[in-house]
Amino acid sequence: AQKVTQAQTEISVVEKEDVTLDCVYETRDTTYYLFWYKQPPSGELVFLIRRNSFDEQNEISGRYSWNFQKSTSSFNFTITASQVVDSAVYFCALSERGTYKYIFGTGTRLKVLA
Amino acid sequence: GAGVSQSPSNKVTEKGKDVELRCDPISGHTALYWYRQSLGQGLEFLIYFQGNSAPDKSGLPSDRFSAERTGGSVSTLTIQRTQQEDSAVYLCASSLEPGTGELFFGEGSRLTVL
Repeated sequence: AQKVTQAQTEISVVEKEDVTLDCVYETRDTTYYLFWYKQPPSGELVFLIRRNSFDEQNEISGRYSWNFQKSTSSFNFTITASQVVDSAVYFCALSERGTYKYIFGTGTRLKVLA
Repeated sequence: GAGVSQSPSNKVTEKGKDVELRCDPISGHTALYWYRQSLGQGLEFLIYFQGNSAPDKSGLPSDRFSAERTGGSVSTLTIQRTQQEDSAVYLCASSLEPGTGELFFGEGSRLTVL
């Protein structure tokens, strides 16, 4: 069965600190997709990244980077030099090809203090 | 419109009343999803539509919940005889590539049952 675990409920950092949000997933399928979404205080979820199970290459986009490791079933998200605007709830999600269902973790609330 | 549109944005109702929540997905997106987000919780999958059919309705909490989609576009989520535990934000999302592509979310409908 699909499962996504985000063990960190809430993280507080001071502006300019680096922060890593953890995501651990469970799946029996060999073909699957992982996602990160940001939910700012306004409420609308914003897509950040998608990664398929055959591509373990890490990705960097500006201050954001993602580390995908199949050996540990993890897809962690790092924000470098955090800013107040990064304050939000971040969700990790998993989908398996064939089920079409997206399973979300419980989210990590990130507070960046000025 | 350009994005996923949901209405109403806020709904306050009395226990026992029926409510209807509407979702208008992005034009051309064949897949449509309903999720529920309770206060401080993650996203709970409710139902998935491909076209007008619902291959997966496994997340509907009880037979008081139903959903339909017409014309491969607009979807309505109906909750009959609402209970206080139904209070939550109901999120709709659509996708061009169900199960593999990103979900595009609406702003949600906040339901409060008194």
